[in-house]
Amino acid sequence: SQQGEEDPQALSIQEGENATMNCSYKTSINNLQWYRQNSGRGLVHLILIRSNEREKHSGRLRVTLDTSKKSSSLLITASRAADTASYFCATGDYGNNRLAFGKGNQVVVIP
Amino acid sequence: NAGVTQTPKFQVLKTGQSMTLQCAQDMNHEYMSWYRQDPGMGLRLIHYSVGAGITDQGEVPNGYNVSRSTTEDFPLRLLSAAPSQTSVYFCASSYSNQGDQPQHFGDGTRLSIL
Repeated sequence: SQQGEEDPQALSIQEGENATMNCSYKTSINNLQWYRQNSGRGLVHLILIRSNEREKHSGRLRVTLDTSKKSSSLLITASRAADTASYFCATGDYGNNRLAFGKGNQVVVIP
Repeated sequence: NAGVTQTPKFQVLKTGQSMTLQCAQDMNHEYMSWYRQDPGMGLRLIHYSVGAGITDQGEVPNGYNVSRSTTEDFPLRLLSAAPSQTSVYFCASSYSNQGDQPQHFGDGTRLSIL
């Protein structure tokens, strides 16, 4: 089954810097989603990008999707301490009726 | 609007005991699912449901049972707990096809089996 894989696995940055993380997958998809998980909490949906889209923005988040390389990136601009969390990509296939999650990427923003 | 509510938040069991993890959503979502989250493994799908009365297996269904008698509730049952089932369990729901829609997650049940 398809599965997202995030890279790098862990990232530590200073507040105000940008944070970039990547996700690769193996099979054809209909969409790719990014989620955030704060410590001890459930996952929160951030953004969904469809296979016919190349870039999407939401506030300080920018997501790109390259279906030819089977990869996506999540950029958080002007990071804040509150952005400290784990970030997961998940690939969706309408026909499979499920999402396949990657292993997550831990981001620590130092005030 | 409570969203997805999971109970209990924490539970310790002995090997061989049974228990039910509860999940309820108030968003009238048709699709619901259960995941387990283990360190270094990400989230793995256990079971899911596309509507009341309909359930299906996910990636790691062994040792778990589910049922969906109402749109709102989707309980997960461990019939005979094993240490390998120590994990954090998340319930999620979505408006329609889970492969095509954002999912809404509960805050999880942290389960330890001794």
